[in-house]
Amino acid sequence: EAEVAQSPRYKITEKSQAVAFWCDPISGHATLYWYRQILGQGPELLVQFQDESVVDDSQLPKDRFSAERLKGVDSTLKIQPAELGDSAMYLCASSLGTSGRANNEQFFGPGTRLTVL
Amino acid sequence: QQQVKQSPQSLIVQKGGISIINCAYENTAFDYFPWYQQFPGKGPALLIAIRPDVSEKKEGRFTISFNKSAKQFSLHIMDSQPGDSATYFCAAKEDSNYQLIWGAGTKLIIKP
Repeated sequence: EAEVAQSPRYKITEKSQAVAFWCDPISGHATLYWYRQILGQGPELLVQFQDESVVDDSQLPKDRFSAERLKGVDSTLKIQPAELGDSAMYLCASSLGTSGRANNEQFFGPGTRLTVL
Repeated sequence: QQQVKQSPQSLIVQKGGISIINCAYENTAFDYFPWYQQFPGKGPALLIAIRPDVSEKKEGRFTISFNKSAKQFSLHIMDSQPGDSATYFCAAKEDSNYQLIWGAGTKLIIKP
């Protein structure tokens, strides 16, 4: 069964350091999402890509976060510099498209658990 | 109007019992209502989803009940098992919009 791949699974870093997370969506999925999930809360959308283009990054703290999906396939989310409040699970999801009845389902990867010390 | 309100925040059910989680929404343009199950340290996984043209959808022990007039939907887990212990999220979406609106989650514990 096709899955969304993420790495690393766990990352511990010190504040002010740079961190990067990688996501490989399900093959053929045009839409890719990065979410942040704080323990005990629901996922919060950070950025959404349609192919290689950013559809929505309104919730992305752009002073320290960046995301790219250069070839419209895999994606990287970067934080520089990391802050204590960035400790969370970072989830990647993908879907066939963005709208329409057939494209709604989002498939999630296992996430990257980030701890900032 | 974009919110999805989920209750209860946590729920303890005896093995074999029925677990019920409720969600309410305001936006009448929502037309896709999924439930996600999340185990500790894992990403959410789609459990079951419903559209407003039906009032109930059943998959195994999991049933969604949908009340369009009340703008409410609920997840029922029949014969709850310890392996069902997880956090459950309801969500809602418009077909014409990319954004999935999430409930706050319910932590379900099934006692053996």
